[in-house]
Amino acid sequence: QSALTQPPSASGSPGQSVAISCTGTSSDVGGYNYVSWYQQHPGKVPKLIIYEVSKRPSGVPDRFSGSKSGNTASLTVSGLQAEDEADYYCSSSTGDNIWVFGGGTKLTVL
Amino acid sequence: EVQLVESGGGLVQPGGSLRLSCAPSGFTFSSYWMHWVRQAPGKGLVWVSRITGDGSSTSYADFVKGRFTISRDNARDTLYLQLNSLRVEDTAVYYCTRGGLVGAHDYWGQGTLVTVSS
Repeated sequence: QSALTQPPSASGSPGQSVAISCTGTSSDVGGYNYVSWYQQHPGKVPKLIIYEVSKRPSGVPDRFSGSKSGNTASLTVSGLQAEDEADYYCSSSTGDNIWVFGGGTKLTVL
Repeated sequence: EVQLVESGGGLVQPGGSLRLSCAPSGFTFSSYWMHWVRQAPGKGLVWVSRITGDGSSTSYADFVKGRFTISRDNARDTLYLQLNSLRVEDTAVYYCTRGGLVGAHDYWGQGTLVTVSS
């Protein structure tokens, strides 16, 4: 049950696009389409923004998109806005009904 | 409106026990898997445990097996996490989450802080 690997930080200027990677194994990210992404602002509760690799819950802007290739999933934030500055976490479930999170990526809007 | 409200956190000495509760509202509790996720101060999210809607199946992260027990009372609409043999490193905010979308945590409570210290 190792944590998924995310870069500790990412940054971009307003209006730009930034991608955050999430690397696991064939037992989690690569084996199932159960990757989800969460946004957490400082002092706030995490919020689901992507599920099943690329689906967006109602109310999440389409500037947020997800994808997966092999054992690596990615979250792309397009048209960066100041309000997107937050911590982002990926997660995957496994065939053993175990869940694992990534270590988190702090996104800075320059 | 879906809401999850945790309670039961507090200060406990190493080796002690606590029972966390989560009170859901706004949905049919028994129809959903539920989870506990924790976050140590200044650190990332860590999945702790999951229980099916009828309570018949549970799963745990390796680091809590044998010390924590997840359970639910669908008649009282309450989710529980029994924490035993607590360690300093168990200090964290504990969130209950709903497993509403396949593999995802679609709603989160506000969390309850557990502090393990002598």
